[in-house]
Amino acid sequence: NAGVTQTPKFRVLKTGQSMTLLCAQDMNHEYMYWYRQDPGMGLRLIHYSVGEGTTAKGEVPDGYNVSRLKKQNFLLGLESAAPSQTSVYFCASGGELLPANEQFFGPGTRLTVL
Amino acid sequence: AQSVTQLDSQVPVFEEAPVELRCNYSSSVSVYLFWYVQYPNQGLQLLLKYLSGSTLVKGINGFEAEFNKSQTSFHLRKPSVHISDTAEYFCAVSEKAGYSTLTFGKGTMLLVSP
Repeated sequence: NAGVTQTPKFRVLKTGQSMTLLCAQDMNHEYMYWYRQDPGMGLRLIHYSVGEGTTAKGEVPDGYNVSRLKKQNFLLGLESAAPSQTSVYFCASGGELLPANEQFFGPGTRLTVL
Repeated sequence: AQSVTQLDSQVPVFEEAPVELRCNYSSSVSVYLFWYVQYPNQGLQLLLKYLSGSTLVKGINGFEAEFNKSQTSFHLRKPSVHISDTAEYFCAVSEKAGYSTLTFGKGTMLLVSP
């Protein structure tokens, strides 16, 4: 099992450009999450999904959109990137059968917006 | 809504010394508690979790944590640290009532020196 994978690992954008981050999991988990990590801020939840075709807003959703067309994939989109979106993005997944909302994390995507 | 406070942003310690990383939480309902570890340039890995039962929880790599309901704390301890324990440690909480997302603390950087 590959677990949770993220594509790409690194990306540099110019202000106003758009991009999509892809998260894939092969554990048949129902739940998937996108977080951003900034120095001194811990992990903050951007959006999450509790099943195929569903999405919900987290703590910091502004400037991002998501889609969950397939159970194993969760896409995070930036329509018009801003320097404030420079961050490390982590995807995670979890399942109904896992106790207490335990989550498995991907390796992260480091995004720089110039 | 739940919240987590990690009282120290950085903890320097010498190799083979004991260490305690502090975590306090706030919630109006019963909670599940977690500690995750993040090694440099990697994703988060589950260290240990408290679901119910015994308040002393043992995790991987010799770490343990104690749940104290009256003090709303979940401090992480290790009796003797190694250089390889240098990493960032995150405390997280989710509520037991229904479905709940994870809320993370801001992290504590453990720096182990020879």
